Amino acid sequence: DSGVTQTPKHLITATGQRVTLRCSPRSGDLSVYWYQQSLDQGLQFLIQYYNGEERAKGNILERFSAQQFPDLHSELNLSSLELGDSALYFCASSVGTTVYEKLFFGSGTQLSVL
Amino acid sequence: DAKTTQPTSMDCAEGRAANLPCNHSTISGNEYVYWYRQIHSQGPQYIIHGLKNNETNEMASLIITEDRKSSTLILPHATLRDTAVYYCIVTQEAAGNKLTFGGGTRVLVKP
Repeated sequence: DSGVTQTPKHLITATGQRVTLRCSPRSGDLSVYWYQQSLDQGLQFLIQYYNGEERAKGNILERFSAQQFPDLHSELNLSSLELGDSALYFCASSVGTTVYEKLFFGSGTQLSVL
Repeated sequence: DAKTTQPTSMDCAEGRAANLPCNHSTISGNEYVYWYRQIHSQGPQYIIHGLKNNETNEMASLIITEDRKSSTLILPHATLRDTAVYYCIVTQEAAGNKLTFGGGTRVLVKP
């Protein structure tokens, strides 16, 4: 158990809908990351937050947004969903943002868009 | 970040050492080598990382060549639970710990 909690574990929805994925980082971790893993794209970095502020942005679509709340949990919002958004979404956390720190990943949310 | 090249897959016998190579010939002086693994759709798990020196922890050893253009992850006594995709990642300090995953090596440990 990495200590990172993601909910829900599975999500099935229809095209055009909007969903919210939630992540609670390990106790004491200030940095949260979101990754998307699909069969054809592999693990793709989406976005990073540190202590409530956006820190780094990757291949995140404009239809997707995220935020980190004062209690440090994070939410990833996916809107106008398309079939191609079906993927495993992972959240990870670390204490800070330096390259010396390891990331701890949650068990993921499996999103199926039908 | 420097690009890495890993074999697509490899088999290993249970109880034997597994040596996983990674080529990172364009690595620069301030870039670190990280290894993570992913066991069947679980979240990736940190294994080890290094800059120049060889490193060892309870999970594995990391051997980095003197010119730093390649490295080898060694699992000393592979078990069936080590079956996973292993990712070699090179990242620089300026990028923080925003990891860029490649295709990795699919390791199958056989009895």
